[in-house]
Amino acid sequence: NAGVTQTPKFRILKIGQSMTLQCAQDMNHNYMYWYRQDPGMGLKLIYYSVGAGITDKGEVPNGYNVSRSTTEDFPLRLELAAPSQTSVYFCASSYSSGGAGEQFFGPGTRLTVL
Amino acid sequence: QQQVKQSPQSLIVQKGGISIINCAYENTAFDYFPWYQQFPGKGPALLIAIRPDVSEKKEGRFTISFNKSAKQFSLHIMDSQPGDSATYFCAARGVRAGGSYIPTFGRGTSLIVHP
Repeated sequence: NAGVTQTPKFRILKIGQSMTLQCAQDMNHNYMYWYRQDPGMGLKLIYYSVGAGITDKGEVPNGYNVSRSTTEDFPLRLELAAPSQTSVYFCASSYSSGGAGEQFFGPGTRLTVL
Repeated sequence: QQQVKQSPQSLIVQKGGISIINCAYENTAFDYFPWYQQFPGKGPALLIAIRPDVSEKKEGRFTISFNKSAKQFSLHIMDSQPGDSATYFCAARGVRAGGSYIPTFGRGTSLIVHP
């Protein structure tokens, strides 16, 4: 199993540009999450999904959109990129949110907005 | 509002020493307390976790101590090794509206173990 994969690994955007961060998992997990990680600030939840077709906002959803058309894929869309969105983005998945609830994280996408 | 407070922000320990990282939470409805380990350039990975009905859990050199009345829990790394140098995150999981359990993470502790 590849686990959780993310593309691209690095990206530089200009202010106002848009892009999609890709995330895929091959563990048949129902739950998927997007986090951003800023130095000294931990992991902040952007959006999460409990299954195909179902998404919900996390702590910091402004400026982002998500969709979940399949169990495997959970892309994160940035519209009109701003410098405040410079961060490292992690996608994660879990079999369920209850029970053990272990989250499996991808390797991250480092995004810079100039 | 920081629901999980983690300290210290950084920690330097000599090889063979004990590393201790502390976390405190406010929401008594949290039901699961995992610790994640993150190496540079990698995503976090689950290290060890505990439920609030247990006061201590040990896995190898890693131990979680849990104090429910004080709403605190801590990670102890015994016989710390240079390979333990990483960022450690505590987390606490609680139920959101709609019934999903979502973890809240602490801000992380950067651990450096000197040879």
